Amino acid sequence: KNEVEQSPQNLTAQEGEFITINCSYSVGISALHWLQQHPGGGIVSLFMLSSGKKKHGRLIATINIQEKHSSLHITASHPRDSAVYICAARGGATNKLIFGTGTLLAVQP
Amino acid sequence: NAGVTQTPKFQVLKTGQSMTLQCAQDMNHEYMSWYRQDPGMGLRLIHYSVGAGITDQGEVPNGYNVSRSTTEDFPLRLLSAAPSQTSVYFCASSYNSREQPQHFGDGTRLSIL
Repeated sequence: KNEVEQSPQNLTAQEGEFITINCSYSVGISALHWLQQHPGGGIVSLFMLSSGKKKHGRLIATINIQEKHSSLHITASHPRDSAVYICAARGGATNKLIFGTGTLLAVQP
Repeated sequence: NAGVTQTPKFQVLKTGQSMTLQCAQDMNHEYMSWYRQDPGMGLRLIHYSVGAGITDQGEVPNGYNVSRSTTEDFPLRLLSAAPSQTSVYFCASSYNSREQPQHFGDGTRLSIL
């Protein structure tokens, strides 16, 4: 079992839909990161969370430390949101990052 | 700011050849790292550096060398390329290890024949 697991692996949505991507981890962490990888390959850091919730535009990230679970929500999805979304857990003692395998999101017009 | 610059973007090598992937950042970041990305796997840490003159191994260091002579540059050397090193390589930088990952380069797609 991977220490960081994402679901679903693939997701297709219609423009305007509300999207949720999930990340579960089995290690103790100091922070949880969400990253976006565009079709061209570039990776952008979206959020770093250690508790609660963060919002940036149409993106919302939440974390439940007790349940070792984080979600990334996209409201009013748009085709430009099509990308791979990656979560990464940062170990509490080591600061070592453990990456999930990513969720491939396709938003159709 | 240019951010994190990786070169080359694409490279094809023959087994046994050596090469250096370049990474430079202009944000005065102390922490720099190299990852490889393979299909069906998460990003895996190859080597990292917490400052000029200091490097350490990550999860998959075999077959790779790094050095950090300046804050700006963190090159990754493949000593004797093997087909198993076919991958996409990303360099990343951040103010420190607690902030990472902050900025990524655009990646180098490397094929070893």
